[in-house]
Formats: sequence, C-alpha cells, structure tokens
Amino acid sequence: DAGVTQSPTHLIKTRGQQVTLRCSPKSGHDTVSWYQQALGQGPQFIFQYYEEEERQRGNFPDRFSGHQFPNYSSELNVNALLLGDSALYLCASSRGGNSNEQFFGPGTRLTVL
Amino acid sequence: KQEVTQIPAALSVPEGENLVLNCSFTDSAIYNLQWFRQDPGKGLTSLLLIQSSQREQTSGRLNASLDKSSGRSTLYIAASQPGDSATYLCAVEGRGSTLGRLYFGRGTQLTVWP
Repeated sequence: DAGVTQSPTHLIKTRGQQVTLRCSPKSGHDTVSWYQQALGQGPQFIFQYYEEEERQRGNFPDRFSGHQFPNYSSELNVNALLLGDSALYLCASSRGGNSNEQFFGPGTRLTVL
Repeated sequence: KQEVTQIPAALSVPEGENLVLNCSFTDSAIYNLQWFRQDPGKGLTSLLLIQSSQREQTSGRLNASLDKSSGRSTLYIAASQPGDSATYLCAVEGRGSTLGRLYFGRGTQLTVWP
C-alpha cells in the first residue's frame, strides 16, 4: 500500500504565476481534502472533494480551485500567486465520504518569490 | 467558529520523562479528535483518534483523553525518548455541515534530549 502520494515535492514560482499540485489517495479511499500549512502554523482546510465534486470549502479565495478525477486522484490549482501563498500544501484522503480517519501525504512545499 | 489551542507551544525535556500535552477547543460539537505527529518539513502521521463518544485511546506509550463537555484533550507520553522529538498537532473534526473538516491547533514542538 503506497499511502497518500503528492507531487511535486518542492516547487518555486514567482508572483502572478499559476501552479498545479497533485495528490493520489490511499488505496480504497475516495475522498480527498487539501490543507495549507504556513510556517509555524497548524494546517488550514482549503476544500474537500468526494465523487468528483467539491463538498466543503474553507475560507480561501477563488484563486484556489480543485478537481477530482474518476480514479479519485485530485489536483489543487492556485492562480495569480502571492508571496503569502508560500506554504506546505497537504493532501489527506479518507474513505466513504463521511467521517473516517484521514491519512496525510508528505506535502508539497511551495515557495513564491 | 471552531478554534483549537495547544499548550505549551514548545517543550524541552530530558529522556525518560513523562509528558502531558494539552489541547482545548471552543465548540464541543465535534465528531472526533485526532492527535498527529509532524517531523520538520514532513507530512502528518496519525497517532490516536478518539471518537466523540469515547473518553480515551491508548497506543503503546501514548494515551489520549477527551473531555468533550469542557472542550479539552490531553496527550500523555510515557518514558519519552529522543525519537519522540517532533511537533504534535491536535485536530478536531466538525459535525453537520463541517463533517470531514479538521480544525488544527498550532502544535506543541517537543524536544527530548539524551
């Protein structure tokens, strides 16, 4: 079992650019959530996808968008990058669309210059 | 809005000590509570999950308790080891429209020295 995987591991972008981060859930999981963790802070919920639809959304602007594919993998897109978007982006997967234990991936470290 | 607070923010202890990490949350309407471990620059590893109907969970040297009515949880680490050095995060899961959403504290950074 590969667990939750994310790509890329690290990414450097400049202000105004766009970025796409990818997540493959743990085998048997169909629900994917994305979190942003700034340095020294706890993770903040961005949104959750189940059955290819956004089920919940945290307090993030529309520059943050996502997608879930039929194989349950997911993408997080961020447009018009700001310096403040620099963070560790974490993907978590769970099973069944309802509350179940969430398993986290290793994260993608995004640096915006 | 759910807010999660963890005390202390940092803790440095010699090997062998028993430790208590504290977590408090403002809204007692939670579905469950999880404790995670995070090594520097890495993802989160789940340590213990306590359902809202439970009072405690144990795994090896770790024991977590939950008092939902007072909005508190504690993580007890017995006989600490240098390998326990990491940041420990507490997260609560909402109910109803926020089911599946985790609310995190800022964490307790633990250093155990030999």
